[in-house]
Amino acid sequence: DIVMTQSPDSLAVSLGERATFNCKSGQSLLHSSNNNNYLAWYQQKPGQPPKLLISWASSRESGVPDRFSGSGSGTDFTLTISSLQAEDVAVYYCQQYYSTPITFGQGTRLEIK
Amino acid sequence: EVQLVESGGGLVKPGGSLRLSCAASGFPFTNAWMSWVRQAPGKGLEWVGRIKSKKDGETTDYAGPVKGRFTISRDDSKNTVYLQVNGLKTEDTGMYFCMRGAPGGTYYDYWGQGTQVIVSS
Repeated sequence: DIVMTQSPDSLAVSLGERATFNCKSGQSLLHSSNNNNYLAWYQQKPGQPPKLLISWASSRESGVPDRFSGSGSGTDFTLTISSLQAEDVAVYYCQQYYSTPITFGQGTRLEIK
Repeated sequence: EVQLVESGGGLVKPGGSLRLSCAASGFPFTNAWMSWVRQAPGKGLEWVGRIKSKKDGETTDYAGPVKGRFTISRDDSKNTVYLQVNGLKTEDTGMYFCMRGAPGGTYYDYWGQGTQVIVSS
């Protein structure tokens, strides 16, 4: 199984500041056949199901604000919120879909400082 | 509008069984790979398993902790995917979400609101 490790476990950022989430996979998620990284990011607010933000490591979903961006390749990935808004308070998860079993990181909780 | 509506959760004793359902609408269900994820209270997301489309063989994959106890099936005539959960343990307690796999059955672009399963004596 591919182990996904997120850091930090929690993060407190001031409104308008940058928030950075890290995700490390136990093996490369870069598929040689298509040069794509099989990594997604989700946002989960309390009492709600997760919402897809980013797929293929850096492709933002339609309707997701452009302050959210994904980067990285291979085993190290980053989700960045460029300017934190109050509505961004949530838990953020990374997920690999390179192979089954599909695995998620343990999540990073984002709070307002 | 894509909708996924789970049902069938409840309170069950250890060793008991439930059948969870997920009714889908708003997209071509027959082509979709469907999955289940669960979330224990206050914990993270745990993948349970998936079922591929009929044209892709309708094969299933499961996470290790549920293999042999959980079974995913689908009824394309009803646009519904099922999760049969047997031999329930207290650690199976949580919210069970149904999701649609994006084309290729990879990441999950639509999620239901979930159905709660509580395993307790």
